[in-house]
Amino acid sequence: QVQLQESGPGLVKPSETLSLTCAVSGYSLSNGYHWGWIRQPPGKGLEWIGSIYHAGSSCYNPSLQSRVTLSLDTSENQFSLKLSSVTAADTAVYYCTRLRPCSAGSCCPPDYWGQGTLVTVSS
Amino acid sequence: EIVLTQSPGTLSLSPGERATLSCRASQTVSNKYLAWYQQKPGQAPRLLIYGASSRATDIPDRFSGSGSGTDFTLTISRLEPEDFAVYYCQQYVNSPLTFGGGTKVEIK
Repeated sequence: QVQLQESGPGLVKPSETLSLTCAVSGYSLSNGYHWGWIRQPPGKGLEWIGSIYHAGSSCYNPSLQSRVTLSLDTSENQFSLKLSSVTAADTAVYYCTRLRPCSAGSCCPPDYWGQGTLVTVSS
Repeated sequence: EIVLTQSPGTLSLSPGERATLSCRASQTVSNKYLAWYQQKPGQAPRLLIYGASSRATDIPDRFSGSGSGTDFTLTISRLEPEDFAVYYCQQYVNSPLTFGGGTKVEIK
């Protein structure tokens, strides 16, 4: 059974970089699939951040792409999100996900989710 | 950007009743690249439907999806107590992938 677990600081100062890691168990990242991030501000809806594949393809939200870095570490079986120059608007629960394979390529619906981690941006 | 509008915002029903949730897109969602999720308080969303009408793994057959073009529907044939939750639609045909604002199904 595939399991995903987010980790990282729960509090980040404005203008700094938010860094989260998602540890994957039950599946090897080097075997494929796209892996991604979605966030949800408290009490609000869902927002796509982006996804990445070990062979290099990706699917980013253009509104965040200039601030987002996604990476895979197959040796540690984990993947990461970095979001730079954060503001209060980036306060949200961040979910790491595994995307279901589909004919859309890199931009497919997630079928496995981590439990989510709340990141608050505040001084 | 494709905007997804879900209606109604809240649906008040009793267990055993049928629930019909709507998702309307601002432009055509080609190839039926439309998914539905269920989210309960304090939990991550769960994928229910992809490709507009295909059930995800282990999803009960009381959940069904239909539609094409700009109009899509999620139907829960007979509400079970565990089905009271918020439901989101998502399109994955165009970047950015976008979600609807959600429909809350609450106990009447």
